Amino acid sequence: QSVLTQPPSASGTPGQRVTISCSGSSSNIGSNTVNWYQQLPGTAPKLLIYSNNQRPSGVPDRFSGSKSGTSASLAISGLQSEDEADYYCAAWDDSLNGRWVFGGGTKLTVL
Amino acid sequence: QVQLVQSGSELKKPGASVKVSCKASGYTFTSYAMNWVRQAPGQGLEWMGWINTNTGNPTYAQGFTGRFVFSLDTSVSTAYLQISSLKAEDTAVYYCARDHCSSTSCYPNWFDPWGQGTLVTVSS
Repeated sequence: QSVLTQPPSASGTPGQRVTISCSGSSSNIGSNTVNWYQQLPGTAPKLLIYSNNQRPSGVPDRFSGSKSGTSASLAISGLQSEDEADYYCAAWDDSLNGRWVFGGGTKLTVL
Repeated sequence: QVQLVQSGSELKKPGASVKVSCKASGYTFTSYAMNWVRQAPGQGLEWMGWINTNTGNPTYAQGFTGRFVFSLDTSVSTAYLQISSLKAEDTAVYYCARDHCSSTSCYPNWFDPWGQGTLVTVSS
């Protein structure tokens, strides 16, 4: 059972916009920033969004992040086949002497 | 460029030990904390803890105390994860991931880059 809650799956057709939600609590998302990681099949996770809504250089602006209260969202516009991957949200949690917590991951399928 | 290169896959018998390495390049190793993350087959990401690369002080997450040891060799910019008394449930891919700061509790913070992962299989 992950501390952050994500839908296990999401899907869309090429060109569509999809969103992935991430729900937490006051000890994690409510008081700290959210990061998103993309894990393409058979590869290591890669930083996709940091500090709620910042994109590292090289990440297309089709990817955007937002946060409100104890929830966050990742939006992907102009969906492409190469976006098919697992997506994880993460945040620092102030409980238990501090720890990083992840969502369970959302498998995005491009139909 | 900044990168982390991990050691290769391991096949171990129950009760044995394994040591996974994570060699950093492209930056000053002691300026950024290092984390370890586990991913069991078909499962999500689980934070194991972190090590302060300046002091060598490790911090272990709940569930990763006792059999798990983080260590460093700063002379070769390498972090290590050692797991002893291996069990079948330790079978997983283990990732090292660099912090944005020198301490994992700094704010804001994120993991970038990640190592390519090391598959540890425990089977008799």
